[in-house]
Parts: sequence; structure tokens; C-alpha cells
Amino acid sequence: KQEVTQIPAALSVPEGENLVLNCSFTDSAIYNLQWFRQDPGKGLTSLLLIQSSQREQTSGRLNASLDKSSGRSTLYIAASQPGDSATYLCALRVDYKLSFGAGTTVTVRA
Amino acid sequence: DTEVTQTPKHLVMGMTNKKSLKCEQHMGHRAMYWYKQKAKKPPELMFVYSYEKLSINESVPSRFSPECPNSSLLNLHLHALQPEDSALYLCASSQDVGGNTGELFFGEGSRLTVL
Repeated sequence: KQEVTQIPAALSVPEGENLVLNCSFTDSAIYNLQWFRQDPGKGLTSLLLIQSSQREQTSGRLNASLDKSSGRSTLYIAASQPGDSATYLCALRVDYKLSFGAGTTVTVRA
Repeated sequence: DTEVTQTPKHLVMGMTNKKSLKCEQHMGHRAMYWYKQKAKKPPELMFVYSYEKLSINESVPSRFSPECPNSSLLNLHLHALQPEDSALYLCASSQDVGGNTGELFFGEGSRLTVL
């Protein structure tokens, strides 16, 4: 069974600092890995999708890497802003199912 | 358009009521999903529809009844729910199901409260 871990569970940083969010998983036989953002009481917004054959994806201030051999993915958010405050979840697709991590709740202080 | 639309946004119902949640997507996706999310927990898969047919039921109680009237619409019929069923219900869609099917897109969710 795929186990997905996100550490830390919560993170508070001053505005402008770079964010580094970690996701580790136990089974490297994945199709893809997706990073989501969730604001309180809202749905999940897709941030980045990394295919199994890829090493990284970038979108604006966001960069996500994937290392299947070590069972890790990292989401980097450059120059954080208060609007980046949210919970970030990673999810791995194996067949029809997404296995989610518990998320990292980020607070960016103005 | 990468939008999945869910209605209603909020729903309060008694344990004897019958209600429905609705979900719509116009991305041409052939896979649609229902997830349940409790506070401070990740989403849990309930049902998967592929090409308008139910392909996965994650042992969900029969008081939850999904329906896929066409390729763009997904309903979740609710009957005789329990207070512990109160949660955020999320609809999602993807190009296909199984294999490398690309991104999963979620709606904003329907917040359900069962009294």
C-alpha cells in the first residue's frame, strides 16, 4: 500500500522567503505526482503535475521535482507572498486512485 | 476551461431527508470522481465513473447513491444520512481513468451538514 508523508505538517515564514515543501512516498511504481493547493473550506486547485518519466515541472514561482529512486518530491515556491497561505497536498496516482499526503499548512506573514 | 462546477455550495439536511449533490464539467473528460473530505484530513475516494459507467465503489454505504446521466454530469443522491456523514464532498474529473491520465481537476466542493 502506498504511504505518502508530508513533513512538516505546518510552516510559518515571513513574506519574501522561499518555501520548500516535502513529500515522500514508499512505492515508486507511480504514473504521476500532482501538487494541489487548498484554501480553508474550498476545493483543491491543481498546481503542478509531474509525469513518472519527468524530473521536474515549473510554473511561474513554483517548481516541483520528482525523484522516484529516493521516493521524494519537493515543491519550491519562490519569494512567498501572504496569498500563498494555504494547505498544500501532494498526491500520487497509481492506477485509478490518488494517494494523498496529509498536507502542509503554510502561513506567510506580512 | 478547466472548471468543475458543484452545486449546492452548502447543504443542511435532516437524517430523514433526500437530497442530491450535482457536478458538471465541460472539458470532455471521461472519468469523474466523488471524494469525501473531513476537516484537516486529505480527500478520500468514494466513487469513480468511467465513460458514464460506475467502475469503482470504495465500499461506500448505500445511503450514498451516485449517478452519471451523461458524460458531463455527475450526481450524488443522499438518503438517510448520519451526522458523521457531515463533510466536504468534492467532485473531480480527469481525461480518463487508469494509467497515466493526466491532471485531476477538482470542484469547489459541497459542504454537507447532517443534523
